[in-house]
Amino acid sequence: QITLKESGPTLVKPTQTLTLTCTFSGFSLSTSGVGVGWIRQPPGKALEWLALIYWDDDKRYSPSLKSRLTITKDTSKNQVVLTMTNMDPVDTATYYCAHDRAVAGTVFDYWGQGTLVTVSS
Amino acid sequence: SSELTQDPAVSVALGQTVRITCQGDSLRSYYASWYQQKPGQAPVLVIYGKNNRPSGIPDRFSGSSSGNTASLTITGAQAEDEADYYCNSRDSSGNPWVVFGGGTKLTVL
Repeated sequence: QITLKESGPTLVKPTQTLTLTCTFSGFSLSTSGVGVGWIRQPPGKALEWLALIYWDDDKRYSPSLKSRLTITKDTSKNQVVLTMTNMDPVDTATYYCAHDRAVAGTVFDYWGQGTLVTVSS
Repeated sequence: SSELTQDPAVSVALGQTVRITCQGDSLRSYYASWYQQKPGQAPVLVIYGKNNRPSGIPDRFSGSSSGNTASLTITGAQAEDEADYYCNSRDSSGNPWVVFGGGTKLTVL
């Protein structure tokens, strides 16, 4: 049974760096073909893909946010960490991590519950 | 980067069939995946690949694709199908990116 859970601060100030951790179980990020992605959703708006990391440490970033994002993995801890620098109120959103089964494209078949991050002074 | 375009809102009478579409150049190269999201909940994968349903997804959900358009069809819509639906795929411009559509709000009348 695959589960994922996001953790991190619920409130950050403008210009600060956000660090979110995705802790998962039921799969290993050292298994060929496996990936974990981050997706966010501002209140009342659409899903937006942020970043992906694969078992072989291949990393992919949204072109519009690439300069602000870093994704890393700790296989021994079953965790994926996303950092986003220079936070702004427009970054207020629910942040999800999801398992990518990487079959026929990018397929997020399991999602975490999401964590709401508010950016405000 | 590529974009995926969805109609903002679609409605269907209870028990009828509805098609939700997703358009984009990347769909000529990659299959779309479809996600259902109900208020306050995380998205749930309902269709992926050519026309695959994850375990637990009712068979009234099906997917298809033609040219630059992917479609999610709900045959015999139920009240519990009222939700937002999102498509996603890889970017087709040779870039290693992922794109999501803007979402379609489905109302079951």
